[in-house]
Amino acid sequence: DTGVSQDPRHKITKRGQNVTFRCDPISEHNRLYWYRQTLGQGPEFLTYFQNEAQLEKSRLLSDRFSAERPKGSFSTLEIQRTEQGDSAMYLCASSFGAGANVLTFGAGSRLTVL
Amino acid sequence: QQQVKQSPQSLIVQKGGISIINCAYENTAFDYFPWYQQFPGKGPALLIAIRPDVSEKKEGRFTISFNKSAKQFSLHIMDSQPGDSATYFCAASSENRDDKIIFGKGTRLHILP
Repeated sequence: DTGVSQDPRHKITKRGQNVTFRCDPISEHNRLYWYRQTLGQGPEFLTYFQNEAQLEKSRLLSDRFSAERPKGSFSTLEIQRTEQGDSAMYLCASSFGAGANVLTFGAGSRLTVL
Repeated sequence: QQQVKQSPQSLIVQKGGISIINCAYENTAFDYFPWYQQFPGKGPALLIAIRPDVSEKKEGRFTISFNKSAKQFSLHIMDSQPGDSATYFCAASSENRDDKIIFGKGTRLHILP
């Protein structure tokens, strides 16, 4: 296991299109987090899962955003009807155990909405 | 509402010097304070972390100083090296409330060779 994998690394789309990002966490990690990072800012929390259960969603996660972790392994983050303001780096992180333990981040998926 | 305030936004230090980055928080429920380091094109990686039962933690050239009464903590990088050039994020969470990690806005550090 080489860490947290994210795919695609870069996505360019036109406004109004739907996009989906995939995250494969470290296999023994039960928690999976999605963060969004814009230029010059720190990661902003979007949502997180413990196993397959989505435990919390940020107010930043509008109804155009949906995340799933169907079997408690990989996760997908879908953005419907993309807007230019959605352009950002979407970071996935995973951790083991309960509580805010050490997060291992992936390299991120960069979204550009034209 | 920014729960973790970080300064400075950018920092330039000569090789061999001490780099100091400061953070302040408001939420007294926070009980875990990590620092993450991010290189261009990479995700953040945990550098060092502290809990409020100690005032200082040192790992190699990296030290966290923690002031619970002032609700402030800082990262000191001793003998700064060009390889330390990166963006540093302070963060906080409440492990007791099983809460997510909240990040500061980051400090872009550049070490002059």
